This record gives sequence, C-alpha cells and structure tokens, in this order.
Amino acid sequence: GAGVSQSPRYKVAKRGQDVALRCDPISGHVSLFWYQQALGQGPEFLTYFQNEAQLDKSGLPSDRFFAERPEGSVSTLKIQRTQQEDSAVYLCASSLRQGLFNYGYTFGSGTRLTVV
Amino acid sequence: GQQVMQIPQYQHVQEGEDFTTYCNSSTTLSNIQWYKQRPGGHPVFLIQLVKSGEVKKQKRLTFQFGEAKKNSSLHITATQTTDVGTYFCADSMEYGNKLVFGAGTILRVKS
Repeated sequence: GAGVSQSPRYKVAKRGQDVALRCDPISGHVSLFWYQQALGQGPEFLTYFQNEAQLDKSGLPSDRFFAERPEGSVSTLKIQRTQQEDSAVYLCASSLRQGLFNYGYTFGSGTRLTVV
Repeated sequence: GQQVMQIPQYQHVQEGEDFTTYCNSSTTLSNIQWYKQRPGGHPVFLIQLVKSGEVKKQKRLTFQFGEAKKNSSLHITATQTTDVGTYFCADSMEYGNKLVFGAGTILRVKS
C-alpha cells in the first residue's frame, strides 16, 4: 500500500482485557518495528522484525506483550490482561533495508490505547 | 543504556524568527535520524545523518552532525506556522535495527 496502515485507530479496553493491534506495512519493506509513545514523550522501542523473524524483543515491557509477523507482512501486537500503565499510542513503522543498513522509518498513524 | 538528550523541551517563536533544537549524547552516536510530529499526528522522517561533521539542507531546514558524533542540531530559518510540531532526533543504533529517540522539542509559532 501507499503507507503503513494501523487498526484500530482508537481502542478502549477494560483493565484485564486482552487487545490485538494490527499493522500492515508498506509492501516490500523487510523491516517492521513496534514503538510505544506515552503522552509528551518520544517513541520507545518495543520489538523488531526482519521479514517473519523477530530479531529483537528487548523493549517489550512484560510477558503480557507479544508480537508476531507470521508471513513477513502484516504484524499483530497483542497485550494480555491490560493494565492502566499500558495506555499509550502504539506506533508501527516499516523500513527498506539494504544489507545491514536501514533507511528512514515510515510510521503508521498509530493506535491510541486507553485502559480504563 | 544509550540516552539521547534533546534541548530545549519547548520553544515558542514569532513567525519569521529562527529556531534550533539540539540533540546530545554522552556516548558516540551511530547515525542520527530526525523526525517531525505534528500535533495529533505520527512521526514523519526528515533526514538521516551518517558521517562525522555532515551538514545537510532541506529548503529552510539545516541539519548538522557533530565532528565527534556526539551531538546533532536542526536549524529552521524564518519559521512559518506550518513548522509547528515536535521535532525528534533518534540514534539509529545497530544499523537502524532500533531507534533511540530523544524526548523531542515542541515548536510553537506565533503569527
């Protein structure tokens, strides 16, 4: 597609509920990233995929967070038993890759998650 | 871990004035990327700096990478209302497999 598409745009979850956030990257972009952005802060790294391989998940804050990209295109970020501190904007980004070098990221519009 | 500091946190300028935001690190930066995020929007890639001492220009925007690769700056000449937003620098660690963002500088422009 023309850009990175994320859905839903907004999600309100009751504390303890499971949520799934979807990201559809730019076609042909090998690299896919998930970031969490709290209000008034810069995005913080969660996890990174190269094709279907999850090469880095060091930023996932707890084992309640899980991400997958089974066919190397669409990715899903799942949060189990949501807590209030999970409230944030979840940004997905994709990037072209040439050898070891990633170019600038294209971010999606994000999913604003509010846990009540 | 790696931290990227950005100053100022906030700047309010009169339209036509210049604006500069600075990005600093206590350790050597890999590559620096700059992003702009409009209010309510998502970060949009502006540029990447790779080489020590590199200077790049995009119309009224000038980006600079320090000689020691420990700092970077973004300078906007003659700001316009369309420049409003938050400007983030990010260290492209490990060949861009992970970006470490600064906290951003919020720019407001009075017309």
